[in-house]
Amino acid sequence: EVQLVESGGGLVQPGGSLRLSCAASGFTFSTYTMNWVRQAPGKGLEWVSYISSSSTVYYADSVKGRFTISRDNAKNSLYLQMNSLRAEDTAVYYCARDKGVVNYYYYGMDVWGQGTTVTVSS
Amino acid sequence: EIVLTQSPATLSLSPGERATLSCRASQTVSSYLAWYQQTPGQAPRLLIYDASNRATGIPARFSGSGSGTDFTLTISSLEPEDFAVYYCQQRFNWPITFGQGTRLEIK
Repeated sequence: EVQLVESGGGLVQPGGSLRLSCAASGFTFSTYTMNWVRQAPGKGLEWVSYISSSSTVYYADSVKGRFTISRDNAKNSLYLQMNSLRAEDTAVYYCARDKGVVNYYYYGMDVWGQGTTVTVSS
Repeated sequence: EIVLTQSPATLSLSPGERATLSCRASQTVSSYLAWYQQTPGQAPRLLIYDASNRATGIPARFSGSGSGTDFTLTISSLEPEDFAVYYCQQRFNWPITFGQGTRLEIK
């Protein structure tokens, strides 16, 4: 079964750090691009970061310089290191598999984890 | 940044009716647009990729159309499980952006 399982969320004080993990199973993780997408309480979806199979990365302006995405293909795992956390980073964080653009088709984010909750509060 | 504007914000319909949801991009996204469905407490689910292709396992009552800047998600005959929030998302330019969502509620 294709599956993504996030972990690492929790309560952290403003200015603190947290590392999220996403464990992949049931597919060849190394061949897929991956994303982190978050959803603040009662709000819509916000893309956070992207990493390609060759580790090219992109970030939303709102997290650039504070968050770092990485992957360990040997461990079938995706990570998000979050530093200098702010109240506005409070959200459910999802990892999502992305087949990307192949032969001028965009295949969308087809597999999502259940999410892990990050709360930034004093 | 490409802004995706979804309309209406809320759509009130009855089971069996036809739903038409709109997503307009601030500049062309070609066909690099996806639609997602999210029910309360659940992760989003991919419905449509590349503007008009149904994802694996998605019922035929869901269809997508459009290219460039104007896109439509149509649900031909609403089932009770279709009442949810729907998001469009573009992958034409960085950053990846989502629309603000359309809430489909039971009338």
